[in-house]
Amino acid sequence: GAGVSQSPSNKVTEKGKDVELRCDPISGHTALYWYRQSLGQGLEFLIYFQGNSAPDKSGLPSDRFSAERTGGSVSTLTIQRTQQEDSAVYLCASSSQQGRTEAFFGQGTRLTVV
Amino acid sequence: DQQVKQNSPSLSVQEGRISILNCDYTNSMFDYFLWYKKYPAEGPTFLISISSIKDKNEDGRFTVFLNKSAKHLSLHIVPSQPGDSAVYFCAAPTTDSWGKLQFGAGTQVVVTP
Repeated sequence: GAGVSQSPSNKVTEKGKDVELRCDPISGHTALYWYRQSLGQGLEFLIYFQGNSAPDKSGLPSDRFSAERTGGSVSTLTIQRTQQEDSAVYLCASSSQQGRTEAFFGQGTRLTVV
Repeated sequence: DQQVKQNSPSLSVQEGRISILNCDYTNSMFDYFLWYKKYPAEGPTFLISISSIKDKNEDGRFTVFLNKSAKHLSLHIVPSQPGDSAVYFCAAPTTDSWGKLQFGAGTQVVVTP
């Protein structure tokens, strides 16, 4: 596609349920990133995939968070046993290569845990 | 550990005037800085960057100034236009990858007619 696509746009879930958020990066982009933005905060780095290398998971806030990237393209961010503090906008970005190339962001998934 | 700080959550400016957005950082190892612009319900879009070997970078109406000794940078928008109304984020790469960034909290700019 023309840009980074994320689905769903909005997700409301009950506390304790698992959720999956999907990201389709720009075709051909080898690097993919997940961020989240909580209310009134800046973007917080979560995880980074680059080609076939092991992902950089240094930003994941707890072991309830995981992500995978299948076939070097689509990525899924999974949050298990959601908590209210997980409510945020989850943003995905991709870039054409590792290094000094800006990343392009999707529109985000707004997650609300009730 | 907030290494990039934007202490002004909002800024209101008249159309045609200058907007000045400020950003401070604590990590002297940062060697690039980026500004992103974000409209509601959209993802951030890259605006302009500056290398730590420069003190100024200009792109059209947008200029970024870097003061390394003060660990401070600013984004100037001249002249401001209503379409510039958005949230602006200052960010710094924490590795060689420009996708892994430390972001500031953002500054909401409102340009009034």
